[in-house]
Amino acid sequence: TQLLEQSPQFLSIQEGENLTVYCNSSSVFSSLQWYRQEPGEGPVLLVTVVTGGEVKKLKRLTFQFGDARKDSSLHITAAQPGDTGLYLCAGEFKGGGADGLTFGKGTHLIIQP
Amino acid sequence: DVKVTQSSRYLVKRTGEKVFLECVQDMDHENMFWYRQDPGLGLRLIYFSYDVKMKEKGDIPEGYSVSREKKERFSLILESASTNQTSMYLCASSLTATNEKLLFGSGTQLSVL
Repeated sequence: TQLLEQSPQFLSIQEGENLTVYCNSSSVFSSLQWYRQEPGEGPVLLVTVVTGGEVKKLKRLTFQFGDARKDSSLHITAAQPGDTGLYLCAGEFKGGGADGLTFGKGTHLIIQP
Repeated sequence: DVKVTQSSRYLVKRTGEKVFLECVQDMDHENMFWYRQDPGLGLRLIYFSYDVKMKEKGDIPEGYSVSREKKERFSLILESASTNQTSMYLCASSLTATNEKLLFGSGTQLSVL
């Protein structure tokens, strides 16, 4: 089983601050996805990255895929209380088929007003 | 509005009961998945299906079975519920065999007493 390590596990910051969370593996991803999950709901897809070095932006969220496709980061600028949630990365590894993604354990993010 | 619908948000069952968790998607997706989510363990794949009447074991299939008689419906069955099966159960679907993105239901919080 492939492993994805997410860090930090918990993060609590004040509104307006910037933050970065990380997703790492020793294996190469064929693609990587980031999801956000709010309490009592299922995860919702934010972005998919496929190409090494790729950067995607979603309003105040910036997603980066490592050049070697073994790691990814999510940077949030000027965090707002609405960004609070569980952020999950999920990787599809080379050779993987219809066997589901491998998920990291997530980063619990709390943005305090 | 496309969606994945799980029949129950909350369930309370007794040890030894047979439990059915139902999931329906309205997007004509090929693949459907069952995950369980536990604090500190993240999302773990129980079973998945890439076609009607087809099923594949995920990472933690023990104690579970599944049924996919129709394309839109994927059921998770706990033959004899045990307390260690208390968890949040998440159903998801994806369009193709390459897991391009998962669409999740809202989850079923199952408590086995």
